[in-house]
Amino acid sequence: DAGVTQSPTHLIKTRGQQVTLRCSPKSGHDTVSWYQQALGQGPQFIFQYYEEEERQRGNFPDRFSGHQFPNYSSELNVNALLLGDSALYLCASSLEQGRSVRELFFGEGSRLTVL
Amino acid sequence: GIQVEQSPPDLILQEGANSTLRCNFSDSVNNLQWFHQNPWGQLINLFYIPSGTKQNGRLSATTVATERYSLLYISSSQTTDSGVYFCAVLYSGGGADGLTFGKGTHLIIQP
Repeated sequence: DAGVTQSPTHLIKTRGQQVTLRCSPKSGHDTVSWYQQALGQGPQFIFQYYEEEERQRGNFPDRFSGHQFPNYSSELNVNALLLGDSALYLCASSLEQGRSVRELFFGEGSRLTVL
Repeated sequence: GIQVEQSPPDLILQEGANSTLRCNFSDSVNNLQWFHQNPWGQLINLFYIPSGTKQNGRLSATTVATERYSLLYISSSQTTDSGVYFCAVLYSGGGADGLTFGKGTHLIIQP
């Protein structure tokens, strides 16, 4: 049973560049969420995708955008990178069983460094 | 938004000791999960426990939803238990699909 997979695992970008991170959900899951974890902090919710649409969004600017594909995989795009975007980006998947019952499973993350 | 507080922030124990980690939350929740973050950053699911008590080997957890807290118990600690433990909740009031995490408890188990 394949778990949540993310790519790339590490990447380095410079300020102003754009980055795309990818996520494949756990087998059988249909919902993908993205989180940002700064050093020494807990993860923060960026947004969630279900049925190829953004369903909810945390307190992140429009520079952060995403997409979900028909096979449920997802991408996170960040434009105009800032030094403060350096973080571990975590993807989580879940199965839509009703809005109040949903256990999340996380991938290993993509560690982004912005120079 | 909902607030999640974890205590203690840091904990250093000898191998074989027992520990209790606490998670307080400020409002009613539909989902509460405990995670262990390994040194490589992956969040490992420990428990999905919006209410009640569960046990898995040396680990157990209890959530008292009416009093808005959850406890994670680790017995007979091993060095591999070291890492950061996070509690995360989903507010039940609607309009929120993202988990809110606490700041974590950094556990160090010394041999």
